[in-house]
Amino acid sequence: TQLLEQSPQFLSIQEGENLTVYCNSSSVFSSLQWYRQEPGEGPVLLVTVVTGGEVKKLKRLTFQFGDARKDSSLHITAAQPGDTGLYLCAGANDYKLSFGAGTTVTVRA
Amino acid sequence: DAGITQSPRHKVTETGTPVTLRCHQTENHRYMYWYRQDPGHGLRLIHYSYGVKDTDKGEVSDGYSVSRSKTEDFLLTLESATSSQTSVYFCATAGLAGSSYEQYFGPGTRLTVT
Repeated sequence: TQLLEQSPQFLSIQEGENLTVYCNSSSVFSSLQWYRQEPGEGPVLLVTVVTGGEVKKLKRLTFQFGDARKDSSLHITAAQPGDTGLYLCAGANDYKLSFGAGTTVTVRA
Repeated sequence: DAGITQSPRHKVTETGTPVTLRCHQTENHRYMYWYRQDPGHGLRLIHYSYGVKDTDKGEVSDGYSVSRSKTEDFLLTLESATSSQTSVYFCATAGLAGSSYEQYFGPGTRLTVT
């Protein structure tokens, strides 16, 4: 049983469109992290959100942590082919992470 | 990047043989982890270490053991490999960033058990 549920599992969009990935849980986390993974490589940390209601922006990527610190979302504006990859959310309690199953994003040129 | 290397990067082995995967870090991080990644399951924690000679089990530890004799090295051993252990294995370390720990991953080892 996955502690964190990500949706959708797969997402295919045209370059220039917007997309949102959701990460939901019934558990409270001290922080939530988002990673992106490309084929044949390890996950790379994108952002850590710590405070309930927190919003962080990283260029065209916007990350939000839910008020109750149980859920999060990743929104990409004007997606580009370089945004293609597997996006993973992970809930942290102290030094341990629990991962969602991931969302595979494909941006077509 | 946390300066994490894994060896070997690819391995094919036969059922019943022992296999050891190595993780080496240059960041002096206290915490180290071994995960496996399988389609539809994301990353699942096998074992982790919170210091030299201090290790504990994760959610999928059966059939695996670990050792950490130095801060920089964390070894994962499959005592008798089975086909169900065919997977991609990732090592990670954790460093404190502000009030939270952030994990950094190695490039992975693709293991095939035939």
